[in-house]
Amino acid sequence: AQTVTQSQPEMSVQEAETVTLSCTYDTSESDYYLFWYKQPPSRQMILVIRQEAYKQQNATENRFSVNFQKAAKSFSLKISDSQLGDAAMYFCAYRRTLNFGNEKLTFGTGTRLTIIP
Amino acid sequence: DAMVIQNPRYQVTQFGKPVTLSCSQTLNHNVMYWYQQKSSQAPKLLFHYYDKDFNNEADTPDNFQSRRPNTSFCFLDIRSPGLGDAAMYLCATSRDRSTTRFYEQYFGPGTRLTVT
Repeated sequence: AQTVTQSQPEMSVQEAETVTLSCTYDTSESDYYLFWYKQPPSRQMILVIRQEAYKQQNATENRFSVNFQKAAKSFSLKISDSQLGDAAMYFCAYRRTLNFGNEKLTFGTGTRLTIIP
Repeated sequence: DAMVIQNPRYQVTQFGKPVTLSCSQTLNHNVMYWYQQKSSQAPKLLFHYYDKDFNNEADTPDNFQSRRPNTSFCFLDIRSPGLGDAAMYLCATSRDRSTTRFYEQYFGPGTRLTVT
């Protein structure tokens, strides 16, 4: 079974600084997706960034980038120039690459990010 | 705006009293999911629908049922809620898996269920 581990329950960063959230996962699959989701307080979870395992290049989305280390099964999220609106719970998630069958996302337990003004 | 809507946002029920949570979507997505998220834990998939095909996770208790009367609506029924069922329930949708390799899941804001 796939597992996703986020070892940092809480993190804080000064506004405008850079922060890195850690995630490790375990799978026997070779092709899969990895995601970072953001869940602001009392608001819906939204997709921040995704990485396809067969791609060697790390994904980037504006101020958000990942460090994907497939051999180490590590998938960290870097947030540059942190803003107050980045404060949220961040979930790392895994999904097998399937065209049919279970579309299940396996989530980590989350990291609560606080931005210090 | 197209979105995933969950009603109510907060629900209080009594121990053993059946409760229904509602999810609707304007995205016209084929797939709808229900996740359970307990405090300080990861969201956990309960089941999902692909069109009318129901897919139950192996470890989802029988106490949890679901209905999808049409594309837009999906309901989560908890037949006899226990104290351990208190959680945030998240609904999500994704588009037809046959048209694209990647299927982003769009989440609703969740319903927080309290059992007294």
